[in-house]
Amino acid sequence: DQQVKQNSPSLSVQEGRISILNCDYTNSMFDYFLWYKKYPAEGPTFLISISSIKDKNEDGRFTVFLNKSAKHLSLHIVPSQPGDSAVYFCAARRGGSEKLVFGKGTKLTVNP
Amino acid sequence: KAGVTQTPRYLIKTRGQQVTLSCSPISGHRSVSWYQQTPGQGLQFLFEYFSETQRNKGNFPGRFSGRQFSNSRSEMNVSTLELGDSALYLCASMVGSGEKLFFGSGTQLSVL
Repeated sequence: DQQVKQNSPSLSVQEGRISILNCDYTNSMFDYFLWYKKYPAEGPTFLISISSIKDKNEDGRFTVFLNKSAKHLSLHIVPSQPGDSAVYFCAARRGGSEKLVFGKGTKLTVNP
Repeated sequence: KAGVTQTPRYLIKTRGQQVTLSCSPISGHRSVSWYQQTPGQGLQFLFEYFSETQRNKGNFPGRFSGRQFSNSRSEMNVSTLELGDSALYLCASMVGSGEKLFFGSGTQLSVL
């Protein structure tokens, strides 16, 4: 039972364009969502998060949108840079629990 | 400030053996979590410790166990290793509760 789904295993975009990574969840008890970026042979690095009481959070080139009614969130990267090439994981957490439930990741490739 | 440190980085074991992995959290962080990453399953939660007590546990068999010491350092033990235990084991820490996790680079375990 996969509670957090990233349906696109990979995404390829041109440098300077927008990258949009999508994530769907099934558990309505999730109230906090995070995005992590992972390079090979390194641990995941926190990018940005959003609480369920918000629908948007922005940090520099990264913006996360949350649509609670659709149980969907997305990460927008504008403009995309070659250094953004990595695997991006969506994660969710239920209130009162410190356990993160991760999606299987989307490999983003930004072409120069 | 030093990040989360995991040792060893690589480990090769044979079926039936046991293994102990070590994690030193960021100074001041009292919560330590462990995750297993495999190509097919993504990141899966193993357990979380806070102030030497297991606070959350994932759906892994009893062969997987952990502990946390008074200095917040944590160890994870896997007994009677199986081929399917081959994975990247990630440790993460945070200050207390409800915050983002900081991950180490992981221990790559290969079971032959």
